[in-house]
Amino acid sequence: AQTVTQSQPEMSVQEAETVTLSCTYDTSESNYYLFWYKQPPSRQMILVIRQEAYKQQNATENRFSVNFQKAAKSFSLKISDSQLGDTAMYFCAFMNTTSGTYKYIFGTGTRLKVLA
Amino acid sequence: GAVVSQHPSWVICKSGTSVKIECRSLDFQATTMFWYRQFPKQSLMLMATSNEGSKATYEQGVEKDKFLINHASLTLSTLTVTSAHPEDSSFYICSRTSGSRNEQFFGPGTRLTVL
Repeated sequence: AQTVTQSQPEMSVQEAETVTLSCTYDTSESNYYLFWYKQPPSRQMILVIRQEAYKQQNATENRFSVNFQKAAKSFSLKISDSQLGDTAMYFCAFMNTTSGTYKYIFGTGTRLKVLA
Repeated sequence: GAVVSQHPSWVICKSGTSVKIECRSLDFQATTMFWYRQFPKQSLMLMATSNEGSKATYEQGVEKDKFLINHASLTLSTLTVTSAHPEDSSFYICSRTSGSRNEQFFGPGTRLTVL
C-alpha cells in the first residue's frame, strides 16, 4: 500500500525568505503523480504544483518549485520569496495511475506560517 | 472559476437525524467523484469513490449504511449521513477527476455539526 509522510507538522518563515517543505512516499508503482495542495483558512483545496513521475525535470510554478527524487521517493516543495498569503496548510498527495482508481493519498500536512 | 460546488456549506442538525450533502460538477460530466472527511487540524481521509450509475466504492472502515452515496447523474453526487451523531461532526469535501484524470478538483467543503 502506498503511504505519504510529511515529517514537519509546523513551519514558519520570514516574509520574502525561502522555505522547503518535505514529503516522502512509499510505492512499488512506476507510474504516478505527486501533488502539493494548499489549504488556506477558507479550507478550499488549491493545487500548488503537480509532478508526473515519468518526468525527470522538476516542476515549477512561479515561486513554487519541487525537488523530485524518484529513487529516494522524496518530493519536497520550495517556496521562494514567501508572502503572507502563503500562510496555510500544505498537503502532499500521491495518485497511482496504474490502478485506474485515480484516488489520492494525502500526507498529514504541514502548517506554514509566514511572518511579517 | 469554481468547477465543483457543494451545498450546503454549513449544516447543523440534531443527533439521530439524517443530513444530505450535494456535490455538483459545474463544467464537466464526472463519472467519478470522491468524498473526503477532514477532522480539525488533520488531513483529508478518503471515504468513498462515487461512480455514476453504479454503487460507490467505500474505503476500509467506512460504514456504507451510515454514509449513503448516490451518483445518479453525471453532474451530481450526494452524501447522506444517516442517523447522525456528534462524532460525525466534521468537514466533508468532495472532488472530481479532471478530464485527463491527472488531478482532482475539490469542492469548497461542507461543515457538519451534529448537536
